Amino acid sequence: EAGVTQSPTHLIKTRGQQATLRCSPISGHTSVYWYQQALGLGLQFLLWYDEGEERNRGNFPPRFSGRQFPNYSSELNVNALELEDSALYLCASSAVWTNYGYTFGSGTRLTVV
Amino acid sequence: QKEVEQNSGPLSVPEGAIASLNCTYSDRVSQSFFWYRQYSGKSPELIMSIYSNGDKEDGRFTAQLNKASQYVSLLIRDSQPSDSATYLCAVNIEETSGSRLTFGEGTQLTVNP
Repeated sequence: EAGVTQSPTHLIKTRGQQATLRCSPISGHTSVYWYQQALGLGLQFLLWYDEGEERNRGNFPPRFSGRQFPNYSSELNVNALELEDSALYLCASSAVWTNYGYTFGSGTRLTVV
Repeated sequence: QKEVEQNSGPLSVPEGAIASLNCTYSDRVSQSFFWYRQYSGKSPELIMSIYSNGDKEDGRFTAQLNKASQYVSLLIRDSQPSDSATYLCAVNIEETSGSRLTFGEGTQLTVNP
C-alpha cells in the first residue's frame, strides 16, 4: 500500500512569489492535514481537510490556503511568500479523524530566498 | 501555558539503559495520545498510541497515561543507538472549530554505544 506522497520534495521560491505543494493521502483516507515545521521548532498545525471541506485551521495568516479534491488529494498554497515561510511542510492523512493517529508524508522543503 | 509540553532535552542514555520521555498537556477532555519518532531530516513516524489510563506495551516501548494528572510518558527499554531521534508527544485537542493533533516541541534522545 502506498503511503502519503508529497511533491515536490524541494521547492525554492523568491520572496513575494506563490508556492503550491501537493499531497496524496493513503488510499481510503479521507482526511488530510498540513503542518509546518520550521528549523528547530515543533510541528505547527496549518489546515485540516475532510471530504472536500476545510474542517479546521491553525493560527496562520490567510495567505496560507488550500483545498481538497474529489479524490481526496490536497494542495497547499502559500501566497506572498516571506523569508520566515522557509520550513518543512508535512502532509498527513487519517481514516477516522485523529483517533488512530496520522501517517505523515516525507514532506516538502520550501526555501524562500 | 503551552498545550503540550515535553521535558527539555537533549536526553542522553547509554546503550541498554531505559530512556524516559515525559509529556504534559493542558486540555482536560483530550482522549487520544500519541508518540512519534522523527529521525533527523525525516518525517515523523507513529510509534505508540494510548487512549486509556495505565500502561500500554509494544516491544521495547511502553506508553503510560494518567488523565487525572494530564501526563503521558514513553519508556524505551534496552535502548539502542538506532533509537537516537527526536520523540514527539501528540495530543488530540478538541475545540469549537474542530479537532487537531497538537504536538510538543520534541525531546532529542541520543543513545551512546
